[in-house]
Amino acid sequence: EVQLVESGGGLVQPGGSLRLSCAASGFTFSDYWMSWVRQAPGKGLEWVANINQDESARDYVDSVRGRFTISRDNAKNSLYLQMNSLRAQDTAVYYCARDFAVAASDLWGQGTLVTVSS
Amino acid sequence: QSALTQPASVSGSPGQSITISCTGTSSDVGGHNYVSWYQQHSDKAPKLMIYEVSNRPSGVPDRFSGSKSGNTASLTISGLQAEDEADYYCSSYTTSAALDRVFGGGTKLTVL
Repeated sequence: EVQLVESGGGLVQPGGSLRLSCAASGFTFSDYWMSWVRQAPGKGLEWVANINQDESARDYVDSVRGRFTISRDNAKNSLYLQMNSLRAQDTAVYYCARDFAVAASDLWGQGTLVTVSS
Repeated sequence: QSALTQPASVSGSPGQSITISCTGTSSDVGGHNYVSWYQQHSDKAPKLMIYEVSNRPSGVPDRFSGSKSGNTASLTISGLQAEDEADYYCSSYTTSAALDRVFGGGTKLTVL
């Protein structure tokens, strides 16, 4: 089955760190750009970061640049998001997504909730 | 405040047609043809409905169509069905700042 499954979310204190993982299956993971997109409770979607097939290109939204790092392991069919110096404003459901075309994602995981609170 | 502007809500009766607008700038919607639309049912992941302004991924009904004029893109749903009730988000590639894409604030579609 073609799917993405996120894990690693949870409750963390402000200033803390968390690492999200996304396991891909059913397709050739190494062929695709991948993205992380988040959605704060009751809010809209926000693109967070993306990475190309061989990790030679990565980009981030300004609000997370310098704090978050996107990476991938094609041998393990996995995408990651290392999140440091977390803030309350980072509280959201984080989705990993497969980029199908320019700035368009055709496959999404179920999401993992990150809550930053003391 | 979202980068792309969408109406907060639209509604229609079964069988009718509705259109959701998405207004941006020449740096995003108006600057190229990389506009996408997503459907999101409550507590579910988004689903890609339209990409590159007017293309439908495999499996998306042809009741869903997309178009663009200047800085405004539109999603039209014809023959409304009860299962179309959901939130809809537009998205566009952007050349602003260091972003890859921007989203609209979302539109809640109610099928009366």
